[in-house]
Amino acid sequence: EIVMTQSPATLSVSPGERVTLSCWASQSISSNLAWYQQKPGQAPRLLIYAASTRATGVPARFSGSGSGTYFTLTISSLQSEDFAVYCCHQYNDWPDTFGGGTKVEIK
Amino acid sequence: EVQLVESGGGLVKPGGSLRLSCAVSGFPFTNAWMTWVRQAPGKGLEWVGRIKSKSRGETADFGAPVKGRFTISRDDAKNTVYLQMNSLKTEDTAFYYCTTGVLGRGGFDYWGQGTLVTVSS
Repeated sequence: EIVMTQSPATLSVSPGERVTLSCWASQSISSNLAWYQQKPGQAPRLLIYAASTRATGVPARFSGSGSGTYFTLTISSLQSEDFAVYCCHQYNDWPDTFGGGTKVEIK
Repeated sequence: EVQLVESGGGLVKPGGSLRLSCAVSGFPFTNAWMTWVRQAPGKGLEWVGRIKSKSRGETADFGAPVKGRFTISRDDAKNTVYLQMNSLKTEDTAFYYCTTGVLGRGGFDYWGQGTLVTVSS
């Protein structure tokens, strides 16, 4: 199965800063990648699919890019409600696999 | 409004069984491919299994850790999907989420609130 690796595990950021999260696939997954945001005690929320398409209702400060084996999620100006865990998900090959997540915490 | 509501979680001994349910509303369930994803406390997400729509044969697929022990079924009349878990192990302890998305493109748009399964003696 395809292994998804996220880096870093934890990122300490100040509100208003720009942050970029990385996700690597162990083999090419084309653009078949999604990003989720998860807050404590809540289910994941879809942010991005097809590597760069924002899901319905997702603010424009979230953007995704990449293809093949390397992907990024960028938050242009971090808001207080953005402190959470972010996880990538490949759906190119069966079975779907998820990255371990990056926790974005307040600096 | 789309809602997915899981139920059936709880405490079970190793080797035991449990059946989870996920009731769906506000979404065209008949054509939906329904997926179960789990998350051990403090850990990442893990794909458990999926069932396709009736029109695609209601085929179910499972991840290696649960294959042969878990089954998935659906009742389109009740807009409900089930996860039958047998021969449970301590490592199956997790929050179990049912989820689905827009057919034909990737990503899981809709998630239940999750139900906790604890396997412990």
